[in-house]
Parts: sequence; C-alpha cells; structure tokens
Amino acid sequence: EDKVVQSPLSLVVHEGDTVTLNCSYEVTNFRSLLWYKQEKKAPTFLFMLTSSGIEKKSGRLSSILDKKELFSILNITATQTGDSAIYLCAVTQGGSEKLVFGKGTKLTVNP
Amino acid sequence: DAGVIQSPRHEVTEMGQEVTLRCKPISGHNSLFWYRQTMMRGLELLIYFNNNVPIDDSGMPEDRFSAKMPNASFSTLKIQPSEPRDSAVYFCASSLVSPLYEQYFGPGTRLTVT
Repeated sequence: EDKVVQSPLSLVVHEGDTVTLNCSYEVTNFRSLLWYKQEKKAPTFLFMLTSSGIEKKSGRLSSILDKKELFSILNITATQTGDSAIYLCAVTQGGSEKLVFGKGTKLTVNP
Repeated sequence: DAGVIQSPRHEVTEMGQEVTLRCKPISGHNSLFWYRQTMMRGLELLIYFNNNVPIDDSGMPEDRFSAKMPNASFSTLKIQPSEPRDSAVYFCASSLVSPLYEQYFGPGTRLTVT
C-alpha cells in the first residue's frame, strides 16, 4: 500500500530556531513530492520536487528530495510565530493526479 | 481570481439526513478533487475529475457518498444518509493538468453530523 510518513508529528520551538521536517514515502511509480502549509483553513502550496539533490528555496524555507533513500526534508530557518502551522507532505504517481498525503507535522513557534 | 469556492462553510445536520456540499473550481482549471480531513486519518482523497469525468473514486468510503460534476464550473459531493462518523472537514481543490500539478484548495466545509 502506498504510504507517506511524516516526522515528527509535532514540534514546539522558539522564534529564531531552525527546524527540519521529514517526509518519507513508499509509492509505486513515484513522480513528484509536494509540500503544503495548512494554517487554520485550507492547505497552501509551498514546493514541488521531482529531481533528487536540487534544493528548492523560498525565503526562509527550503526543501530537497532524495529519490534513492525515498525522503524529503523541509527546512525553516529563523522561525517566526507566523510559521506555526501544520506542514503536509504529499506524493504523486505517474499516470495519476492523485495526491497521497502524510498526516502532517504540527509546528508551533513560540515568541 | 476568487479561488476555489465552497459552500456551505459549516453544516450541522442530524444522522440520516442528506447533505450536499458544493464546489466551484478556479476558472480554466480542468481537474477537480474532493478531500476529507479528520484528526485520525488526515487528508484523504475521495474522488477526482478530469474534464468533468470521474477518474478515480477509489477513496469514496461507501455507497452513501456520491459526487457529480455536471459542468466545468460546478461539482457536488452528496452524503445520503449521513452518519456521525462522516463528521469532518471536506475540501475541494482544483488544478491544471499540465505542466504543474499544484492543487489549489478551497476553504473547506466543516460537517458535523449529530
């Protein structure tokens, strides 16, 4: 069965800390991995990764994929209280638009 | 662009009643997805459409759930009869098939079945 596992399930840090969120996957015919941020409402798109070793970066957030070891990490540097959210990882498979989501990591950034 | 629009935003109903959730995708998007999110199971895909045609409904939990997309700008998810275990947040999302597969999510409908 296809699965996506995120760790840790929850994380509490102080403003200014750097965090690393993990996502491992087991799917057939892997095509891409996506990261979403979910605050109080709907998930919003952060990154899509398709190739190993190429870092995607947006401000203080960055992500990288390892297709050999079947995982991705999402880094957030100099965290702010506005980074508090659930971070979701999802994968897609060739021939389908279906997203298979992990359970998410709940990040809390305290002032 | 208004984004994906869902209605109602909140729905409280009694067990056994019919529930209809509505979604308007982003104009020009040709794929539409229905998800359900609960604490226990996370975010799960129920069904998705491409060019108004259902492609994968393997996530629909049982025959009480049905979804339609009569045209490119409207979709419904119906639960009949509803049960307390159907309580969840239901999201609709839309995307362009190519070249990206980024899905844009609506604000969700919080369903409570008592």
